[in-house]
Amino acid sequence: EDKVVQSPLSLVVHEGDTVTLNCSYEVTNFRSLLWYKQEKKAPTFLFMLTSSGIEKKSGRLSSILDKKELFSILNITATQTGDSAVYLCAVNSGGSNYKLTFGKGTLLTVNP
Amino acid sequence: DTGVSQNPRHKITKRGQNVTFRCDPISEHNRLYWYRQTLGQGPEFLTYFQNEAQLEKSRLLSDRFSAERPKGSFSTLEIQRTEQGDSAMYLCASSPWRDYGYTFGSGTRLTVV
Repeated sequence: EDKVVQSPLSLVVHEGDTVTLNCSYEVTNFRSLLWYKQEKKAPTFLFMLTSSGIEKKSGRLSSILDKKELFSILNITATQTGDSAVYLCAVNSGGSNYKLTFGKGTLLTVNP
Repeated sequence: DTGVSQNPRHKITKRGQNVTFRCDPISEHNRLYWYRQTLGQGPEFLTYFQNEAQLEKSRLLSDRFSAERPKGSFSTLEIQRTEQGDSAMYLCASSPWRDYGYTFGSGTRLTVV
């Protein structure tokens, strides 16, 4: 069975800190890894990673994938209170090209 | 509005009652997905439609659950004889062909009392 494990499960930081969120996976026939941000309701798409070693960036957020070691990290620099959310990692794998397996998420709290 | 729309936003029902949720995907998206999310967990896959065809159902989807997508447009998820364990957020998402970056709706939060 496909497995996605995120760490830490929760994290409290102060505004301006830099954080690194981790996602490791054990899946058959890996296709892609995705990061989502979930505040009160709907998860919103952040990044999709398919190739090892290529960093995706969007403003203060960046992510990279290591397909050899089967993990990804999501970095957030100069954190703001608006970054407080659950960050979800998901993997698309196996014979289907549509179903995602999610981790439990990391709850990030950024205090002023 | 170009997002994924779900109704109702909240539903409280008594155990044993039937409930139905609706999802309106982004109009040009031919793929539609239902996921369920409980507190402290990531979303879990329930079922997937490509146009009007339901191509996969998770084993999480017992016989009490049924989903439809008539004419490949909106979709409904019905739960019959609800149980307390059905209490969760039910998320709908859609995507265009060959794109894994789903757009999620805001979800329907079901509470079974």
